[in-house]
Amino acid sequence: EAGVAQSPRYKIIEKRQSVAFWCNPISGHATLYWYQQILGQGPKLLIQFQNNGVVDDSQLPKDRFSAERLKGVDSTLKIQPAKLEDSAVYLCASSLPWPGQGGYGLQETQYFGPGTRLLVL
Amino acid sequence: ELKVEQNPLFLSMQEGKNYTIYCNYSTTSDRLYWYRQDPGKSLESLFVLLSNGAVKQEGRLMASLDTKARLSTLHITAAVHDLSATYFCAVDPWVRDDKIIFGKGTRLHILP
Repeated sequence: EAGVAQSPRYKIIEKRQSVAFWCNPISGHATLYWYQQILGQGPKLLIQFQNNGVVDDSQLPKDRFSAERLKGVDSTLKIQPAKLEDSAVYLCASSLPWPGQGGYGLQETQYFGPGTRLLVL
Repeated sequence: ELKVEQNPLFLSMQEGKNYTIYCNYSTTSDRLYWYRQDPGKSLESLFVLLSNGAVKQEGRLMASLDTKARLSTLHITAAVHDLSATYFCAVDPWVRDDKIIFGKGTRLHILP
């Protein structure tokens, strides 16, 4: 079974530039998450989709960040314009929806992609 | 607002020893997850705990959940160097409008 795919793996940009990240979840996973992980910290949820609808985006800085999942599969996360403090690893994860379809324990497991490491100079 | 605290944040231990990582959280929840992250890598799911008293074991790792005490533990038995990593707990609160929160992680270094 293919895992969560993300691209690019690394990106270096200057502040005030724009950047976009792409995520392809595991086939059949209706729930998709974007996290920001700053060095030395735990992941912070930015946005959660169920199919193509937003479940939670309360921690997404909407003045500069946007995300979409138009067909309920792939997703993109965009930052425009970037700030120095946006330097982080951006993780995409997917899971079966709640209530789960995978049986006890499986419905809540999030499968993480390799992440995109962003450096803003 | 849900708060999740892990301790210790750093742990250096000898191979063969036992130790426990603690995860305390501040609101009602019966869904707690443990993840492992190796340096420069993504997160790998270790355990999913979905009820009070849940206990799961995989190899030298055992996780438990006490929802009344709002506490989960990750116990390491007879540690080996390969277990060196950062371990995160994450809590999904009972209130569906609230979001999943990760702890800051416990960086575990096992000395040969």
